[in-house]
Amino acid sequence: DAGVTQSPTHLIKTRGQQVTLRCSPKSGHDTVSWYQQALGQGPQFIFQYYEEEERQRGNFPDRFSGHQFPNYSSELNVNALLLGDSALYLCASSPLRSRTSTDTQYFGPGTRLTVL
Amino acid sequence: QKEVEQNSGPLSVPEGAIASLNCTYSDRGSQSFFWYRQYSGKSPELIMSIYSNGDKEDGRFTAQLNKASQYVSLLIRDSQPSDSATYLCASPYGGATNKLIFGTGTLLAVQP
Repeated sequence: DAGVTQSPTHLIKTRGQQVTLRCSPKSGHDTVSWYQQALGQGPQFIFQYYEEEERQRGNFPDRFSGHQFPNYSSELNVNALLLGDSALYLCASSPLRSRTSTDTQYFGPGTRLTVL
Repeated sequence: QKEVEQNSGPLSVPEGAIASLNCTYSDRGSQSFFWYRQYSGKSPELIMSIYSNGDKEDGRFTAQLNKASQYVSLLIRDSQPSDSATYLCASPYGGATNKLIFGTGTLLAVQP
């Protein structure tokens, strides 16, 4: 049973560039959430997707956008990169039944983004 | 602002001792809590979840929840050097949602 997968594992970009990160959820899961984890901090919620729509959003600017595909995989896009966007970006998936209940989220290995 | 707070540590315990990790939260409506373990450079891994007041045991791990005091803890018995990691406490924001609010994590160091 494949867990949550993310690509790429590491990425180096320069300020002003754009980046796309990818996530495939765990088998049987249809909900994908994205988190940003800066060094020494806990993960911060960016947004969540299910049924191919953004359902919830954290306190992140519009430079952060996403997409979910019919196969439940998801992308996180960040435009006009800033030095402060350097972080570990985590994708977490959860199952269909978590619509009205709080269910466990399983994290992928993350993408380490460095902005120079 | 709904918050989850943890002491950043480091918490240093000798091998074989009990490690006690603590977390407080501000949202009285919070119904569920999760403990994640995160090794350096890796992603969080779920250790325990707890939904009801009292204790929940799983192997060497015990989660304790006290909703009246807005306090949740994780006890690790017979601590091993392999338990050395950052432990993150998390709770969903606003009830029936999967938007997790995390604490900053407590770094645990188990000394051989």
